[in-house]
Amino acid sequence: EAGVVQSPRYKIIEKKQPVAFWCNPISGHNTLYWYRQNLGQGPELLIRYENEEAVDDSQLPKDRFSAERLKGVDSTLKIQPAELGDSAVYLCASSLSPSTDTQYFGPGTRLTVL
Amino acid sequence: AQSVTQLGSHVSVSEGALVLLRCNYSSSVPPYLFWYVQYPNQGLQLLLKYTSAATLVKGINGFEAEFKKSETSFHLTKPSAHMSDAAEYFCAVSDPDDMRFGAGTRLTVKP
Repeated sequence: EAGVVQSPRYKIIEKKQPVAFWCNPISGHNTLYWYRQNLGQGPELLIRYENEEAVDDSQLPKDRFSAERLKGVDSTLKIQPAELGDSAVYLCASSLSPSTDTQYFGPGTRLTVL
Repeated sequence: AQSVTQLGSHVSVSEGALVLLRCNYSSSVPPYLFWYVQYPNQGLQLLLKYTSAATLVKGINGFEAEFKKSETSFHLTKPSAHMSDAAEYFCAVSDPDDMRFGAGTRLTVKP
């Protein structure tokens, strides 16, 4: 069974540039999560999807961040424009059902904003 | 709101020694508790999960954790450390709507 796939693995951009991350969850997993992990810290939830509906985006900085999950499968997370403080690892995870079920994580995208 | 505290951002043990990583949680409802491991440049991988079925939970790679409600703790242990156990370990607490991760504990294993 294929795991959660994320691309790109690494991205270096200059501040004020846009950037996008892509995630393909495990087949059949209805719940998809985007997390941000700062250096030396645990993951922090940005947004959670149930199928194509964003059910928890309270921690998503909506002035510059956006996300979509068309057709309830793949998802894209976008930052426009990026700021220096956005440098972090962006993790995607999926599960069969919401939070109490095991989440399976992708390898993450390491973003460096110069 | 629920939260997790991991005591000790860095733990160092010798190969073959006991591993003990501490986790305390707060939750207003009976919690689901998780331990995840993260190797360099990789995502998080589930070690074990507590869902109220049994207080002692056995996971992969010889790890286990004990749920102690009176102490609000869920400490992770392994009797004998191996070099391959060197990684970052995260405790997490979940209710039906939210999962919160601790800040992580980096485990170093000395030969």
